[in-house]
Amino acid sequence: RKEVEQDPGPFNVPEGATVAFNCTYSNSASQSFFWYRQDCRKEPKLLMSVYSSGNEDGRFTAQLNRASQYISLLIRDSKLSDSATYLCVVNLPGTYKYIFGTGTRLKVLA
Amino acid sequence: EPEVTQTPSHQVTQMGQEVILRCVPISNHLYFYWYRQILGQKVEFLVSFYNNEISEKSEIFDDQFSVERPDGSNFTLKIRSTKLEDSAMYFCASISYRDTEAFFGQGTRLTVV
Repeated sequence: RKEVEQDPGPFNVPEGATVAFNCTYSNSASQSFFWYRQDCRKEPKLLMSVYSSGNEDGRFTAQLNRASQYISLLIRDSKLSDSATYLCVVNLPGTYKYIFGTGTRLKVLA
Repeated sequence: EPEVTQTPSHQVTQMGQEVILRCVPISNHLYFYWYRQILGQKVEFLVSFYNNEISEKSEIFDDQFSVERPDGSNFTLKIRSTKLEDSAMYFCASISYRDTEAFFGQGTRLTVV
């Protein structure tokens, strides 16, 4: 099983739609989880950290399911500007490493 | 807002040449990283650096690679003898405390010809 796994997509959704991405991780001892956004040929930018109780930031909601070892990102009321690749990042316990998933590509269509 | 800065933004070099990629992490951060991303592929961990020494490195980070923090602000990645397959985007990142969110620089696009 890969350390961090994501569906690469692309997810093509109309403006205003709700879209959800999942990310699975292999190490049950991982403690830190993040969603990053990456635009084409740009650096990853932190979208949100993922907390055990779940957290929300405007139109974005992140959830953690430790039992099934996945995190999710929900985007409500999609905007054209949400088109990007969404990267799941998980720490590797006992190390300083952050492991990236391959990313899920989202295209929001007018 | 504090940010990680990298220079140059783009470097073209001939195969076999040495390159040095430079980064200025966020000033009160303690942990520094280099990652790379080959075009169309995932972001890959290269090395982490803490307390003036390498804390971890990946299998990609072989003897051709080295990192240094020559002064209180800069953090560099040196590739001694570049290969064509070293062509990639190289990102520097820093974090304040272990397991907190990482902040990335805008990257250096390295093209080896």
